[in-house]
Amino acid sequence: QSVLTQPPSVSGAPGQRVTISCTGSSSNIGAGYDVHWYQQLPGTAPKLLIYDNNNRPSGVPDRFSGSKSGTSASLAITGLQAEDEADYYCQSYDSSLSGYVFGTGTKVTVL
Amino acid sequence: EVQLVESGGGLVQPGGSLRLSCAASGFTFSSYWMSWVRQAPGKGLEWVANIKQDGSEKYYVDSVKGRFTISRDNAKNSLYLQMSSLRAEDTAVYFCARVAATATTFAPFFDYWGQGTLVTVSS
Repeated sequence: QSVLTQPPSVSGAPGQRVTISCTGSSSNIGAGYDVHWYQQLPGTAPKLLIYDNNNRPSGVPDRFSGSKSGTSASLAITGLQAEDEADYYCQSYDSSLSGYVFGTGTKVTVL
Repeated sequence: EVQLVESGGGLVQPGGSLRLSCAASGFTFSSYWMSWVRQAPGKGLEWVANIKQDGSEKYYVDSVKGRFTISRDNAKNSLYLQMSSLRAEDTAVYFCARVAATATTFAPFFDYWGQGTLVTVSS
């Protein structure tokens, strides 16, 4: 069972801005551990989207941005495009579990 | 170009065993921690295990401890996952992933992933 909670789904029209929350606890995000985000297009492997809370790997559009505060983190997608329709997962480390943890996942739908 | 290619998945009966392999190329394999991450059908991602560069440290999620063993062969640029006492709940696509961290990272992440190999545990 995931210890990082995300909304099951978010949706928006093309060009709009959507945000995805990732809520943790004092043993993971709240303990200061970094949060990373992955995009998983249908039928494919996850792809690193944001690392260390707010950094984009080379090739990731600047429409994607991340932030972290307290026990939560957020992923924002501005200028939503049809190709952004995918599942998104946050990831961090949990000291109580002594392992990496993922969020429950959020499906983004472009209306 | 970094490439990770998994193999070894298939159908296995409950209680059976299976060995997954991951062939790495395009980077210095012996310089990186490596991990296995799985995804049950229609479900989210779950970290399974990881292994240090020289194989001296290994960590597992509680649900597979004592049943799964991660290993690597740096001479062959390969990562392995030996799975035994398999259960229906182990049914998933298993991804091989490279573990990365920056100078200021406080919680490593997975910067490259393979395409995955499907393991189905069923009678």
